[in-house]
Amino acid sequence: GAVVSQHPSRVICKSGTSVKIECRSLDFQATTMFWYRQFPKQSLMLMATSNEGSKATYEQGVEKDKFLINHASLTLSTLTVTSAHPEDSSFYICSTALNYGYTFGSGTRLTVV
Amino acid sequence: TQLLEQSPQFLSIQEGENLTVYCNSSSVFSSLQWYRQEPGEGPVLLVTVVTGGEVKKLKRLTFQFGDARKDSSLHITAAQPGDTGLYLCAGVRSGGGADGLTFGKGTHLIIQP
Repeated sequence: GAVVSQHPSRVICKSGTSVKIECRSLDFQATTMFWYRQFPKQSLMLMATSNEGSKATYEQGVEKDKFLINHASLTLSTLTVTSAHPEDSSFYICSTALNYGYTFGSGTRLTVV
Repeated sequence: TQLLEQSPQFLSIQEGENLTVYCNSSSVFSSLQWYRQEPGEGPVLLVTVVTGGEVKKLKRLTFQFGDARKDSSLHITAAQPGDTGLYLCAGVRSGGGADGLTFGKGTHLIIQP
């Protein structure tokens, strides 16, 4: 089946720095990649949808200048959390959609100190 | 905005008991999916229900999609400690898979031996 490889799995960064999260589709081309955020004990919330070669679409309330998404190729989408603050600490997960099947990455636990 | 109300949010029962998790919405979804998520990992798809009134079984798990495609339920028979985890329902907004998923808040299930 389709596999999405997400890295890093965990990252700790200092407040004010930027962190890049990568999601790669293995053995298939991902035209669309979805980015979710999950706070402790809560569900996944869709942040944005990235499409290869075009600008990402952000959900209401998500700052596009803070969460930079790049989908420059059919196998790689990246999310960069810029000027990270402690409140950005969360679990970030990417996902692709193939027909009715959604495949998720393994997630990135971001801790901003 | 399409919302999914999932209940209960937390459930702790004894091994061998039965349980039902509900997922309700005022909106119609083209399909509903159920996921299970372990801590620090991405969600794993359990089942997709597409047709109103559809019932699917996965060993001791029974999934049902409401006739109007606005609600779904997950029933676990004779729960076991291995069933412990976070269960999430998610709605597909459109029929083409081009939209991200709308997740319910999740049900934290604990099965005590």
